[in-house]
Amino acid sequence: SQQGEEDPQALSIQEGENATMNCSYKTSINNLQWYRQNSGRGLVHLILIRSNEREKHSGRLRVTLDTSKKSSSLLITASRAADTASYFCATDGETSYDKVIFGPGTSLSVIP
Amino acid sequence: AAGVIQSPRHLIKEKRETATLKCYPIPRHDTVYWYQQGPGQDPQFLISFYEKMQSDKGSIPDRFSAQQFSDYHSELNMSSLELGDSALYFCASTPGEGDTGELFFGEGSRLTVL
Repeated sequence: SQQGEEDPQALSIQEGENATMNCSYKTSINNLQWYRQNSGRGLVHLILIRSNEREKHSGRLRVTLDTSKKSSSLLITASRAADTASYFCATDGETSYDKVIFGPGTSLSVIP
Repeated sequence: AAGVIQSPRHLIKEKRETATLKCYPIPRHDTVYWYQQGPGQDPQFLISFYEKMQSDKGSIPDRFSAQQFSDYHSELNMSSLELGDSALYFCASTPGEGDTGELFFGEGSRLTVL
C-alpha cells in the first residue's frame, strides 16, 4: 500500500484550540494534498504541498512535509465548530501522476 | 462555477444485478478518477482516465469496468453486484495529465446492494 497511517484516527477539541493531524506514506511522491470531507459528502481540496517544499500556509491551515520521514502534518489554528469533518491526506506516486491515494483519515470534532 | 456532476446520487440494487454510474467532469478537465469509499473508510482509488485512455488502475474488481467518452464524461459499470459493493462512489476530475494538482470531487453516488 502506498499509504501509511493517519494519526490520530479521531480528535475532539474545544472551539478555539488548535488541531494537529499527521499522516505517513510509504513511497516517494511528487505532491501531498490534504482534503476535507463532511459526512457523506464529496471531498474538498484544502492545500497541496510539493515534495520540494517543507511548509505551506493557507489561512488557518499550516502543512508541513518531511520527505526524509515520509510524513506530513496539518495544523488547523483557532478551530471552529464548522471545522468538524474528516481530514485525509493524499499522495501521488513519483512516477504515477494519475494515481492519487488517500490515507485512512482523521475524524475531527470541534466542540462549541 | 460548474462542478463535477455524478448520477445517480442514490442507487439501490439487488445482489447479482448490474449498475452504471456516470460522471461529468468540469468543462475542459480531461482527467477523471474513480474512488470507492465504504462506511468509515478512506476513499480507495479504482481507476483513472486521461484523454479517453485508461491512465492508471487501482483496486478495481474484475467485475467492474469503466471508460471515458469523447465528451470526457466517464461511466463505471459494475456487474454481478455483491453486498460488499455497497459504498459511496466518487468521481473527481483535474485539468490534465502531468503534475498532479487539486482533484475536484463530485458529491458521489451512493450504491446500496441488498
